[in-house]
Amino acid sequence: EIVLTQSPGTLSLSPGESATLSCRASQSVAKNYLAWYQQKPGQAPRLLIYDASNRATGTPDRFSGSGSGTDFILTISRLEPEDFAVYYCQQYAGSPLTFGPGTKVDIK
Amino acid sequence: EVQLVESGGGLVQPGGSLRLSCEASGFTFGNSWMHWVRQAPGKGLVWVAYIHTDGSFTTYADSVRGRFTISRDNAKSTLYLQMHSLRAEDSAVYYCATSILRGQGTLVTVSS
Repeated sequence: EIVLTQSPGTLSLSPGESATLSCRASQSVAKNYLAWYQQKPGQAPRLLIYDASNRATGTPDRFSGSGSGTDFILTISRLEPEDFAVYYCQQYAGSPLTFGPGTKVDIK
Repeated sequence: EVQLVESGGGLVQPGGSLRLSCEASGFTFGNSWMHWVRQAPGKGLVWVAYIHTDGSFTTYADSVRGRFTISRDNAKSTLYLQMHSLRAEDSAVYYCATSILRGQGTLVTVSS
């Protein structure tokens, strides 16, 4: 099983600042089959990025994904008020599907 | 556009049963591996079960093995999760997924 670790656990930032979220895998994620989700309270996770760097339909271009192998990054270039949420990474290269514990981005 | 619509959740007593459904559209369901994932209140996302394209192979998380059964009807583009002997710790929002989550989920609450 591929274990995903996310850091930091919480990121306190102001609107307009940039955010860098990390996701590290316990073993290499084949074909960079890694996704990023945003989740707000009471809502389902919303797919932002798939295959490590491809934006899903409707994802603003201020969100970008990068990385390969075991180290992946989600960057939010200029935080908008609606971006304050919890972000999860997920790998779908191996079975079972596994998810990181999440990074909460909150308002400083 | 890929769409997954879960249904069948609700309030059930401990020890009870429930059957969840997931209607798929926008992709070739019969060619897709499918999963169930759940999220307990205030917790993270956890994989529950997997089924191969033709239903010939299934796997389960240890926490549900022997109590839950995943199945599919490719003619109806529908995925199922039959849940028996439900426990309080099974309370969660249940999502179906290809390899990626796309649905809104259905809430299961196990309580007396």
